[in-house]
Amino acid sequence: GESVGLHLPTLSVQEGDNSIINCAYSNSASDYFIWYKQESGKGPQFIIDIRSNMDKRQGQRVTVLLNKTVKHLSLQIAATQPGDSAVYFCAENPGGYQKVTFGTGTKLQVIP
Amino acid sequence: DSGVTQTPKHLITATGQRVTLRCSPRSGDLSVYWYQQSLDQGLQFLIQYYNGEERAKGNILERFSAQQFPDLHSELNLSSLELGDSALYFCASSVVGTGDTEAFFGQGTRLTVV
Repeated sequence: GESVGLHLPTLSVQEGDNSIINCAYSNSASDYFIWYKQESGKGPQFIIDIRSNMDKRQGQRVTVLLNKTVKHLSLQIAATQPGDSAVYFCAENPGGYQKVTFGTGTKLQVIP
Repeated sequence: DSGVTQTPKHLITATGQRVTLRCSPRSGDLSVYWYQQSLDQGLQFLIQYYNGEERAKGNILERFSAQQFPDLHSELNLSSLELGDSALYFCASSVVGTGDTEAFFGQGTRLTVV
C-alpha cells in the first residue's frame, strides 16, 4: 500500500484495547471539527464530527471529546480491531466559506 | 465507495509538462474541494468551488488552477510541473459549501513527475 507520511506519530494498540488519538488544533475561532480515517491507498473517510457547542459526541465504537479551553480534540476507539489500522486526521473549520485545515495525522497500528 | 470519482488514478509525466486532473462529485453535492497530500506535508487544502464559483483558496501555487463546470465536475490543472509536485491529489465534495459538513473524498490521483 501507499504510505501517507514518513514521520507520522504512531500509536500501537493491542487488539481489543481502547485507543485514544489526540489532536491539538490551531484556530480558536474554529467551530466545527471532524475526524477522518485514511487507509493505505485510499482517500480519507469521515468518522465523526463535533461542533463547538458540544464537548462530547459518541458514534458507533467512537467518541470525540473537545476541550476548547486548551484547543484539544481526541478520538477514542473502543475495542480496537485490526480494521481500525489506518492514519487518523483531525480537521478544523473556522466556519463559513473558509478552508478546512487538517492536522498532520496519527498512524494507528493494531497488534493482533 | 464514497461516490466521488477521480481520474486518472495514476499519472506519470515529465518536468515542465501540464496535466489535468478530473473530479466528479457525489450526486447532489454542489461543493468540490481539492487537496494535495505529499509524504512530508500531510493533507494541504488547495481550493474550493461551490456551484461553479471559487469559494476558498488555500496554499495553491500560481502554476495550478482549477474550475468547476456547469455539470459540477471539476478539473485541477497543474502546469510547468516540478519534481516537488509529485503527490496524491484528492478531490472531495459536500452538499453545501460552508465547510461545516461531512466531505466525501475520492480515491485520489497519484501524480509522479520525473
